[in-house]
Amino acid sequence: EVQLEQSGAEVKKPGESLKISCKTSGYTFTSSWIGWVRQKPGKGLEWVAMIFPGDSDIRYSPSFQGQVTISVDKSVSTAYLQWSSLRASDTAMYYCARGVGAVGNYYMDVWGEGTSVTVSS
Amino acid sequence: DIQMTQSPSTLSASVGDRVTITCRASQSISIWLAWYQQKPGKAPELLINKASSLESGVPSRFSGGGSGTEFTLTISSLQPDDFATYYCQQYRSSPTFGQGTRLEIK
Repeated sequence: EVQLEQSGAEVKKPGESLKISCKTSGYTFTSSWIGWVRQKPGKGLEWVAMIFPGDSDIRYSPSFQGQVTISVDKSVSTAYLQWSSLRASDTAMYYCARGVGAVGNYYMDVWGEGTSVTVSS
Repeated sequence: DIQMTQSPSTLSASVGDRVTITCRASQSISIWLAWYQQKPGKAPELLINKASSLESGVPSRFSGGGSGTEFTLTISSLQPDDFATYYCQQYRSSPTFGQGTRLEIK
C-alpha cells in the first residue's frame, strides 16, 4: 500500500525558516514524481512543486518559484518543502502527493494527510 | 496558465438525487482532467483521471465525461458519504485546479 506520512503541525514567526517532510513507502520512490499542494484556510487547492527523485528533475508552479525549495533524500524515501524566510501569507495546509504523468503534466493519485503551517508574530 | 472554472460553486441536493458538476478550461486540454473529492479536515482523494477513468475502489455511481474545454462529474444517486467538496484539475500543462464545488445536503 502506498503511504505518504507527513511531519507534524508547525507554528512559526515571520522571517523564520522551515522544512517540512513527507516520508513515502509502498512504492519505488525513484520511479514517481512527488510534490506539494497548498490549501489556504477555507480556500481551494494550488499546486506548488514536483520533483522526480530518479533524476532530481524539479518543476515549480510560477506562483511559487523562488518562494520555496523542494528536495528529496533518496536514502530515506522522503520529500521536503522548505522556506528560508516565512511570511504570514504562507499560513496554510500543505499536502504532499504522488504525481502521475509526464514532465510538467501530472495528476495526484495518493495524498498525505497534510501539514499545517501557521506563521504569526 | 490554463484557468479552470467550476459550476456551480455550491450545490444543494438530497440523498438519491442525480447531480452534475461542470468544469470548464480556458483552452483545450484534450482529456487531461482529474476529479478529486475532499471532505472537511481531510486530504483530497482522486476519483477520476483522464476525464472518465474511474480510480480503483471508487463507487460506480461516480462518472466523468467531456473533452476539450468542457467536462462533467456526475453522481448518479447521491449517498450520505458523497457530501463533500469536489475539485477538477487539468494536467495538459502545469497543474491547475478549479475553485471547487461544495455539495451540501438540502
